[in-house]
Amino acid sequence: QQQVKQSPQSLIVQKGGISIINCAYENTAFDYFPWYQQFPGKGPALLIAIRPDVSEKKEGRFTISFNKSAKQFSLHIMDSQPGDSATYFCAASASGSGNTGKLIFGQGTTLQVKP
Amino acid sequence: DAGITQSPRHKVTETGTPVTLRCHQTENHRYMYWYRQDPGHGLRLIHYSYGVKDTDKGEVSDGYSVSRSKTEDFLLTLESATSSQTSVYFCAISSRPSNSGNTIYFGEGSWLTVV
Repeated sequence: QQQVKQSPQSLIVQKGGISIINCAYENTAFDYFPWYQQFPGKGPALLIAIRPDVSEKKEGRFTISFNKSAKQFSLHIMDSQPGDSATYFCAASASGSGNTGKLIFGQGTTLQVKP
Repeated sequence: DAGITQSPRHKVTETGTPVTLRCHQTENHRYMYWYRQDPGHGLRLIHYSYGVKDTDKGEVSDGYSVSRSKTEDFLLTLESATSSQTSVYFCAISSRPSNSGNTIYFGEGSWLTVV
């Protein structure tokens, strides 16, 4: 079963626009929610992450919004640039006994920012 | 870039043959992971290690085995390769469990084609 569901699968945005990618999860034990960015031919790299004790985290043009009651979180890319064109993955993990840092990933969103 | 080297980077093999992918790290990180990436599925955890000789199964472990005899090396073996194991394989490392806020770093991937 897919524990983290991501949408949309692909997204096309004009330069300067806002890109929004959404994720939903089922496991209420999840307590860490990172977003990864992947360029073609490369491995994913951490972009930004949030914990459920805050509803929003912003780093530069990238913002995570978190809704604990709805079990949803989203990535907003403000003033999207062609250099942001990449595949984005949301992920989640749970702490607690036996914690080994396993990340469960969403299906990925391919973002294209048109000049 | 984190000191992660995956080998081979590209391989074509025949159905039924064993294949071993190697992940070598120079960061002395405790945790190591093998993920596979497939369109529509995102990244799925195959196996992970939380120390030398300490390994456990992930979401999609059937048909795969791992070994970690040294901190720096984590081997993934496809015991008898099948076409369904055609994928991009990513090794990842972390010094602490990811949900403690520490970053998981990914290697650049190994492209495996089973014909």
